[in-house]
Amino acid sequence: AQSVTQLDSQVPVFEEAPVELRCNYSSSVSVYLFWYVQYPNQGLQLLLKYLSGSTLVKGINGFEAEFNKSQTSFHLRKPSVHISDTAEYFCAVTAGGGADGLTFGKGTHLIIQP
Amino acid sequence: DAGVIQSPRHEVTEMGQEVTLRCKPISGHDYLFWYRQTMMRGLELLIYFNNNVPIDDSGMPEDRFSAKMPNASFSTLKIQPSEPRDSAVYFCASSLVLGGAGYTFGSGTRLTVV
Repeated sequence: AQSVTQLDSQVPVFEEAPVELRCNYSSSVSVYLFWYVQYPNQGLQLLLKYLSGSTLVKGINGFEAEFNKSQTSFHLRKPSVHISDTAEYFCAVTAGGGADGLTFGKGTHLIIQP
Repeated sequence: DAGVIQSPRHEVTEMGQEVTLRCKPISGHDYLFWYRQTMMRGLELLIYFNNNVPIDDSGMPEDRFSAKMPNASFSTLKIQPSEPRDSAVYFCASSLVLGGAGYTFGSGTRLTVV
């Protein structure tokens, strides 16, 4: 079985500053990794995913994430955040090949300060 | 496609009443998932279906909860009788495959049991 740890429940950042949201996973097999964003009073929306290939994955809204197998991490980054990026961000993992369902982390609340 | 459609968006009911939440998945998606989100427990998978058949209901909290998928375009999650601790946001999601493609989430139903 896979598991996901999002180390920070809240990350406050000033507008136009860079941000990194941390995600570590645990698995005995290869994995697929995802980041979702949840804006207030909305459902989860897929930001980006890593299935294979290049370890640097680019997603929507200027976000990117890097898969690091040796550190079992998939941290999400954005070079300059905007007030509209205020949301809850969820990391998720599934076994490579997609034979299992997604396991979600507990989420990180990104708070953008003006 | 209109995406995953859930109804109602908000539901307020009295303890002991029956509550039915509805979901229409994306056409052609073979998998349908029901999640519950609370502050305390985060996102919890309740049950998922493949081709209208329930595959894993180990996340259903107790016998008061039941879910059905009578056809490929409709699913219900029923709580009978409802209790205040059932108050949460319930999400439906659908997917082409179990893992790998990511899930498309609906906007959720915010349930309040008073």
